[in-house]
Amino acid sequence: GNSVTQMEGPVTLSEEAFLTINCTYTATGYPSLFWYVQYPGEGLQLLLKATKADDKGSNKGFEATYRKETTSFHLEKGSVQVSDSAVYFCALTRDQAGTALIFGKGTTLSVSS
Amino acid sequence: EAGVAQSPRYKIIEKRQSVAFWCNPISGHATLYWYQQILGQGPKLLIQFQNNGVVDDSQLPKDRFSAERLKGVDSTLKIQPAKLEDSAVYLCASSLGPAKAFFGQGTRLTVV
Repeated sequence: GNSVTQMEGPVTLSEEAFLTINCTYTATGYPSLFWYVQYPGEGLQLLLKATKADDKGSNKGFEATYRKETTSFHLEKGSVQVSDSAVYFCALTRDQAGTALIFGKGTTLSVSS
Repeated sequence: EAGVAQSPRYKIIEKRQSVAFWCNPISGHATLYWYQQILGQGPKLLIQFQNNGVVDDSQLPKDRFSAERLKGVDSTLKIQPAKLEDSAVYLCASSLGPAKAFFGQGTRLTVV
C-alpha cells in the first residue's frame, strides 16, 4: 500500500533561516500529496497540496513540489518566523480512488528569535 | 463557517471500561473520517463514512471499536473494553471531496 516517510525532528532554527523538511513517498498510481500543520493546542490544518506531478503547492510562504521522478514532496520556506513553530505532517491519499490520508510521523519545528 | 466539533476534549478511563466520542462534521460534508493519533506518530485512519455508509473500516479493531453515523451527519466512535494501548488522540475529519479534509481538535484519551 501507499506510504510516506518524513525526516525526523526536531528541527531547530533561528528566525529568518531557510527551512527544508524532507518527505518521500511510495505509491501505486498517482496519489495527491499534502502538508498539514498542527500549531500548539490546535487541530490539524491543511497547509498546502498538490494533485499531480510537477504541481507546486504554496501557502503562507511555504512551498512544496510534487516530484514523481524522485517520489518526493519536500516542504520549504525561505525565511521562517517564530510563529511557524509547529508540527508538520506530510500525507498522501491512501489509494487511487480514495480520499482518506496516510500521514508521516510528523516533524517538530522550533523557531527562536 | 463552523468547524468540525468533537467532544469531549479529554477523557481518562480505566482499562476494560468503555468510552464514546462524538463528532459533528461541517454542515453538508458527506465524508467523515475517524483517525487515531498515538503520541509521536501521525494520524492513522480507523474508519471512513460516505453519508451513513462505511467506505473503509479495514484498520478498525472491530473486536473492541465500533462507529456509527446515523442519518449521515453526526458520528460516534466507541471503545469497549479499552486497553492501555488505546491511549491516543482521536481525530474526526470531514470533507466535501478529495481535495481538502477539515479536522476537529480531537479527543485525548488516557487509559490507566
